[in-house]
Amino acid sequence: QSALTQPASVSGSPGQSITISCSGTSSDVGNSNYVSWHQQHPGKAPKLVLYDVTKRPSGVSNRFSGSKSGNTASLTISGLQAEDEADYYCCSYAGSSTWVFGGGTKLTVL
Amino acid sequence: QVQLQESGPGLVKPSQTLSLTCNVSGGSITSGDYYWSWIRQTPGKGLEWIGHIYFSGSSYLNPSLKSRLTMSVDTSKNQFSLKLGSVTAADTAVYSCARNNYYYFDLWGRGTLVTVSS
Repeated sequence: QSALTQPASVSGSPGQSITISCSGTSSDVGNSNYVSWHQQHPGKAPKLVLYDVTKRPSGVSNRFSGSKSGNTASLTISGLQAEDEADYYCCSYAGSSTWVFGGGTKLTVL
Repeated sequence: QVQLQESGPGLVKPSQTLSLTCNVSGGSITSGDYYWSWIRQTPGKGLEWIGHIYFSGSSYLNPSLKSRLTMSVDTSKNQFSLKLGSVTAADTAVYSCARNNYYYFDLWGRGTLVTVSS
């Protein structure tokens, strides 16, 4: 059982927007500005797509955006493209040099 | 660019020690800006942070694994390593090494599957 709760799967058609939620507690997501999101294609290394809740690393499309409300963080992908089909994991710094992860969400582009 | 590559046995017997190494290429492990982590993924528990080490050798380990866990760094080989003792089937997982700037993991290896079985 993962510390952070994500939906197992989400889907959307090309051009649409989808949102993936990541629910934690006041000990992690709710008390952290350090929520990150990672994209993983099959057989590939995970790739950081968002950090510090809303920031994008260099080279990541501005179609990826993040937000947080209370104990829940969210990743939104707008203008869905076939290449976005992947697994997405959230991660939160939980203080005292510990990190917690979500169980992952499989995004299917229809 | 910097790349991480895990290596080690894919099969470990119960009660034995799991040993993995992460080779860092394209950059120096002695960069003071980063910590070097291990993360594992199991079907049952999802992703779990195992621990991290700084190039100086100082480490911080997941309290749930600390009693069985050792991490080390070899700056001459630009590598860091993990040893997990007294393994059981519950330790079967994909083990990944990652770089973190303390608050988030910005670079990952592809991961290696380790199965604990007799």
